[in-house]
Amino acid sequence: KAGVTQTPRYLIKTRGQQVTLSCSPISGHRSVSWYQQTPGQGLQFLFEYFSETQRNKGNFPGRFSGRQFSNSRSEMNVSTLELGDSALYLCASSFLKGTSAQETQYFGPGTRLLVL
Amino acid sequence: AQKITQTQPGMFVQEKEAVTLDCTYDTSDQSYGLFWYKQPSSGEMIFLIYQGSYDEQNATEGRYSLNFQKARKSANLVISASQLGDSAMYFCAMRPVSSGSARQLTFGSGTQLTVLP
Repeated sequence: KAGVTQTPRYLIKTRGQQVTLSCSPISGHRSVSWYQQTPGQGLQFLFEYFSETQRNKGNFPGRFSGRQFSNSRSEMNVSTLELGDSALYLCASSFLKGTSAQETQYFGPGTRLLVL
Repeated sequence: AQKITQTQPGMFVQEKEAVTLDCTYDTSDQSYGLFWYKQPSSGEMIFLIYQGSYDEQNATEGRYSLNFQKARKSANLVISASQLGDSAMYFCAMRPVSSGSARQLTFGSGTQLTVLP
């Protein structure tokens, strides 16, 4: 079974631009979560989607948004990029069995975003 | 709120020896899950092992085992017979376990493990 895929793998943008990152979950997985990883802040939760609905959102400004499609693929968008948005953005999928007991999140390879 | 503490920024171990990576946590939840992930320099987070707070036995997965001490709120990862390919960053993470609870993981700051030949 194919793992979580993320595109693009690397991205260079300039301040003020916007960017869209894509995530395809493992086949059959319905929940997709996004995390930001930086050297200073570590791994921080951005948001989670299930059945095209955002279930939970981390403490990030409104410039960060996302969506999920009917095939469970997800995109996240960052508008008006700032230098501090440079990070590794990781997507994770899980099956969601009804409770979160033993529900493992499987991560993709990430998208490295550099904002100049 | 949950908090994960990994006090070892870096660890060195000789190839074929065992190594323990420390993880302590703080939570007010009664039920929770503890996870360990490995992150090589390529960036992908690789799931290693899971321990539920009500599991009576410590989890094991191949060369990985979890030394779970609930009273001390610690969940240390033990890697036996270290291999050069084990060199990576290791993250401890947790999540509350209940129907409908948020699925986000709270991560520690990580431990960089280097296996020496």
